[in-house]
Amino acid sequence: GQNIDQPTEMTATEGAIVQINCTYQTSGFNGLFWYQQHAGEAPTFLSYNVLDGLEEKGRFSSFLSRSKGYSYLLLKELQMKDSASYLCAVRDYGGSQGNLIFGKGTKLSVKP
Amino acid sequence: EAQVTQNPRYLITVTGKKLTVTCSQNMNHEYMSWYRQDPGLGLRQIYYSMNVEVTDKGDVPEGYKVSRKEKRNFPLILESPSPNQTSLYFCASSLTGASYEQYFGPGTRLTVT
Repeated sequence: GQNIDQPTEMTATEGAIVQINCTYQTSGFNGLFWYQQHAGEAPTFLSYNVLDGLEEKGRFSSFLSRSKGYSYLLLKELQMKDSASYLCAVRDYGGSQGNLIFGKGTKLSVKP
Repeated sequence: EAQVTQNPRYLITVTGKKLTVTCSQNMNHEYMSWYRQDPGLGLRQIYYSMNVEVTDKGDVPEGYKVSRKEKRNFPLILESPSPNQTSLYFCASSLTGASYEQYFGPGTRLTVT
């Protein structure tokens, strides 16, 4: 079956670093995505990994290990505006091309 | 401005009254998709379309219909809404099904009483 797991909630302090983990089991794999979603708003794209390793984009980095079915999103120098839900998603070609399977999201609260 | 638009943004309706939620994108994207988002369940795909006149079921298609007569529009139709379809709905599009970024519309909050 298809399963994507990530923690439900996390709390971190402004200026700190936080790592949000995601593990997945899917019938096929063709990319892992991270989206940010502020409360009541649409998800917005953060990062994409299809090969093993670390992708860095400013304060945000995303890591992928395909053999372990594991990814993490690393947020550095946390700001209050980073309080949001972070959605891990896998594109699974086992089913239909292009479709994303989303995890339930991790709600991050950044405290002063 | 490149965007995905949805209408209405908020809707309260009664059981059995047919409704349509419109979705339009101005980016000439081939791939479009509808999701619903419920607390504790995350985003789940309802239907998707790889291109004009090509649509297929996602994970939770029961009770919904879609059409793709034009590239820019992908309406979601609820022929006979029921309370379990109360949810937050998002339309999304991407250049192709293989593109790495999907652009989401602002969402439609639907309540069925």
